[in-house]
Amino acid sequence: DAGITQSPRHKVTETGTPVTLRCHQTENHRYMYWYRQDPGHGLRLIHYSYGVKDTDKGEVSDGYSVSRSKTEDFLLTLESATSSQTSVYFCAISEARDRVGYTFGSGTRLTVV
Amino acid sequence: GESVGLHLPTLSVQEGDNSIINCAYSNSASDYFIWYKQESGKGPQFIIDIRSNMDKRQGQRVTVLLNKTVKHLSLQIAATQPGDSAVYFCAENPPSYQKVTFGTGTKLQVIP
Repeated sequence: DAGITQSPRHKVTETGTPVTLRCHQTENHRYMYWYRQDPGHGLRLIHYSYGVKDTDKGEVSDGYSVSRSKTEDFLLTLESATSSQTSVYFCAISEARDRVGYTFGSGTRLTVV
Repeated sequence: GESVGLHLPTLSVQEGDNSIINCAYSNSASDYFIWYKQESGKGPQFIIDIRSNMDKRQGQRVTVLLNKTVKHLSLQIAATQPGDSAVYFCAENPPSYQKVTFGTGTKLQVIP
């Protein structure tokens, strides 16, 4: 997707290991979000950021942490991966805090074995 | 992604026909709504939005209708094409910086 890149696209990891997913944007948008997508659920917000070093928890933040040291990068870390964190993770960006559409990355498919 | 398309309600439409995809939203205070399209293996893509002071908005081949009385949104796609095959879901945005809520989606299958 133009202006937003997620890496890696696919990852398989073992239970108990730390994992970091990266979101990089070239749009200079202030707002960035991490979502997970699972069958039977809508996109669920994990963490979000309103600017450099300004982050907050979403509805499913347990077991996850984030960091934003630069406007363009938003990192999601699974501190000790569990099988329940097997999911597709999407990063999104927006130019305003609300009442605007988000631009999503292509996603990272994470499998915890 | 592919796994998200499983277990979803599916709408099968003949190519060239019109499609109507429905969404019920939950928060009567929501005042901004968006439809997204998600193709297999890709991230959601913004299609069209509507504010609560409107009941209809048209884009290119798409129309969104909003019925606030029954908290219902619909997305109409005219002359459906094979490239329209995807999962479609709505999102609602309440006021006062409350978080966006996404629906689970409907899978649209276009029959050539």
